[in-house]
Amino acid sequence: QQQVKQSPQSLIVQKGGISIINCAYENTAFDYFPWYQQFPGKGPALLIAIRPDVSEKKEGRFTISFNKSAKQFSLHIMDSQPGDSATYFCAAISETSGSRLTFGEGTQLTVNP
Amino acid sequence: ETGVTQSPTHLIKTRGQQVTLRCSSQSGHNTVSWYQQALGQGPQFIFQYYREEENGRGNFPPRFSGLQFPNYSSELNVNALELDDSALYLCASSLGGAEGNQPQHFGDGTRLSIL
Repeated sequence: QQQVKQSPQSLIVQKGGISIINCAYENTAFDYFPWYQQFPGKGPALLIAIRPDVSEKKEGRFTISFNKSAKQFSLHIMDSQPGDSATYFCAAISETSGSRLTFGEGTQLTVNP
Repeated sequence: ETGVTQSPTHLIKTRGQQVTLRCSSQSGHNTVSWYQQALGQGPQFIFQYYREEENGRGNFPPRFSGLQFPNYSSELNVNALELDDSALYLCASSLGGAEGNQPQHFGDGTRLSIL
């Protein structure tokens, strides 16, 4: 059962544009929502994370928006750069699940120069 | 601060064989989780070890087993390898305990190919 659904599967953005990736979850016990960035041949790297007690978190060009009632969260990448081209995964975790991350299926982002 | 390291980086095995993958956790971390990432998909949770005890298991058969050592490093063992076991195996470490969910930091994985 896919508990975290991610869209779109792939995304092409021009340099300087805004990249938006969306995720929806089912399990209301989830209480921590990280985003990971993965380059080819590398492991996922933690990018930014949010807890459900806040609606938005910003770190540099990366912002997470969180809508608890809709059970949705999204990643916004402002001023997208070619170096941002990678696969992005949303994930969710709950304390009651023993800290197992449940991942979305990933979004392959391409930023054209 | 040393990050998560995994070995080997690549491995080729044949069906029916057994394999052991190794992971050294990030300094100060006492929890290790293992994930399987098939090509083009998100990582899937295999199991987690906290202070040398299994602390949760995903939907993987018993031929997937693990260990955690006193220095918090860990091994993933897979017996009777099948073609579908071909994947990137990722190890993530974190600081577990009463503090609740802490960020998990991943190594670069072991690419396992089954012929």
